[in-house]
Amino acid sequence: EPEVTQTPSHQVTQMGQEVILRCVPISNHLYFYWYRQILGQKVEFLVSFYNNEISEKSEIFDDQFSVERPDGSNFTLKIRSTKLEDSAMYFCASQGGDIQYFGAGTRLSVL
Amino acid sequence: DQQVKQNSPSLSVQEGRISILNCDYTNSMFDYFLWYKKYPAEGPTFLISISSIKDKNEDGRFTVFLNKSAKHLSLHIVPSQPGDSAVYFCAAPLLETGANNLFFGTGTRLTVIP
Repeated sequence: EPEVTQTPSHQVTQMGQEVILRCVPISNHLYFYWYRQILGQKVEFLVSFYNNEISEKSEIFDDQFSVERPDGSNFTLKIRSTKLEDSAMYFCASQGGDIQYFGAGTRLSVL
Repeated sequence: DQQVKQNSPSLSVQEGRISILNCDYTNSMFDYFLWYKKYPAEGPTFLISISSIKDKNEDGRFTVFLNKSAKHLSLHIVPSQPGDSAVYFCAAPLLETGANNLFFGTGTRLTVIP
């Protein structure tokens, strides 16, 4: 069964460093998303991506964040200068029909 | 900004009995709802959905009920099995924006006791 894969599963970084979180969406899907879940809080929408551009973004998705689909398969989330409060689980999702399918997530720990 | 709310953080049920998980929403523009299940160290897994044109959708042991006037939906699992133990999230997309970004509830941790 096709699935969304995310790498790495855990990323530890120093505050102020850049990180890139990687996702391989399901191959025939066209809409892609990033969400995050801070420990103990709800899953929050960050950004949606369609036709090689951002479709919508939340107020969390400020200038420190960017997304890219550098080739036909990968979908990346970059955080330019990480802050302590960026520590969270980051989930990638791709959409087939009306359903979003999620990856297992990347746990980002900013020290 | 709590557009989707799950007021019960946890629920314990005996194996074989019914589990009922509840969800309330405030935005009357929501017209499609999804339930996701999440195990530790995994991403949310789609379980079942319902459109606002229906008041019930059933898939095997899982049934979702929607009460639009009360802005309330519930997920029934019967009979409950130990493998159902997970965190369950209610979610809804705001389709009017042209994107399908999901608003999630805070989740209910279901424990099914053997």
